[in-house]
Amino acid sequence: GQSLEQPSEVTAVEGAIVQINCTYQTSGFYGLSWYQQHDGGAPTFLSYNALDGLEETGRFSSFLSRSDSYGYLLLQELQMKDSASYFCAAVKAAGNKLTFGGGTRVLVKP
Amino acid sequence: KAGVTQTPRYLIKTRGQQVTLSCSPISGHRSVSWYQQTPGQGLQFLFEYFSETQRNKGNFPGRFSGRQFSNSRSEMNVSTLELGDSALYLCASSLQGTGANVLTFGAGSRLTVL
Repeated sequence: GQSLEQPSEVTAVEGAIVQINCTYQTSGFYGLSWYQQHDGGAPTFLSYNALDGLEETGRFSSFLSRSDSYGYLLLQELQMKDSASYFCAAVKAAGNKLTFGGGTRVLVKP
Repeated sequence: KAGVTQTPRYLIKTRGQQVTLSCSPISGHRSVSWYQQTPGQGLQFLFEYFSETQRNKGNFPGRFSGRQFSNSRSEMNVSTLELGDSALYLCASSLQGTGANVLTFGAGSRLTVL
């Protein structure tokens, strides 16, 4: 089957760095996306990796290693507004279907 | 430009009833996908439509169905509702025809089945 594993919860203080790991097993893998979802809100796109390596977008960076079926999202200079759930999602080559991980709830404390 | 619009935002139904949810994608987006989100199962793919054709389907029973109109608006229907169908139903649209790395989600329709 297809599955993506990520930690269920991470707690950190403001200004800290958090890394959310995601390991995947999926056929027809095209790339790995990351989405953020605040409580009561819709998932919003953060980052995407199609190739191995690091993609940096402001305070957030994402990494992919196809050979290890592994990726991570790095949140730097954490702010209170970063408290949310973060989902990794495998993008398949055929059509527009995402397979999501279970989500990591990030709690940022003062 | 307007985002993805889902209606209704909240609804309550009883077991055995049916429900229809609507989604208007971002103008110009021809791909519309539906996801079910529950605390226990997370985000699960229901189906995807592109140019009025269902291209992908998730592992949901036949009670879950959908369609897409020529203007790309989409509806999903759940018949013979069960308590376990209580969930947030999210619609997402994409500009890309395939392998879309960016989906834009609507705010969702929260269904409660009593």
